[in-house]
Amino acid sequence: QKEVEQNSGPLSVPEGAIASLNCTYSDRGSQSFFWYRQYSGKSPELIMFIYSNGDKEDGRFTAQLNKASQYVSLLIRDSQPSDSATYLCAVNNYGQNFVFGPGTRLSVLP
Amino acid sequence: GAVVSQHPSRVICKSGTSVKIECRSLDFQATTMFWYRQFPKQSLMLMATSNEGSKATYEQGVEKDKFLINHASLTLSTLTVTSAHPEDSSFYICSASLRGVSADTQYFGPGTRLTVL
Repeated sequence: QKEVEQNSGPLSVPEGAIASLNCTYSDRGSQSFFWYRQYSGKSPELIMFIYSNGDKEDGRFTAQLNKASQYVSLLIRDSQPSDSATYLCAVNNYGQNFVFGPGTRLSVLP
Repeated sequence: GAVVSQHPSRVICKSGTSVKIECRSLDFQATTMFWYRQFPKQSLMLMATSNEGSKATYEQGVEKDKFLINHASLTLSTLTVTSAHPEDSSFYICSASLRGVSADTQYFGPGTRLTVL
């Protein structure tokens, strides 16, 4: 059974710090990796995706992928209270269903 | 970006009635649409996967006769909760998959909050 695991939260960081969210996956054939943010009472919204090993940066967000270690992470620089949310990692093989992790709740403290 | 809409955003109904929720991909054709349910402070739970013109594939434990899914076109899927009961009260979220050259990307609708009295 394909599994996606995320570090258990809640994760608390002070405003301005770097928040690091981690995700591991079991299916070595996984090809694409996604990070979603879900605010309380709202649906998930896509933050970014990554397909290739290495880093991908988008504003304050950096996704890091290491397929050999089956590991993907999301770094949030200069964390803001508005970043407080649950972050979902999702993994996909082209043409197959997405597998979501359970999410990590992040709290950014003013 | 790709936009997915859901209607209604909130519905309150009496026990025993049926409720229909619509999910539309507004600016792209979706190869696949998904229906999720989420209870407070819990993870997303995939209910079913639907492809246009095909019968939906339901996850284990999800009653297909209770949660009717119709995927009429590449931009519209509907979920009907039949004979709703209070335990069906939940946050129902649809998503649509946009097929790219080498990867699919899933975009979520805003969700429908169902309360069954």
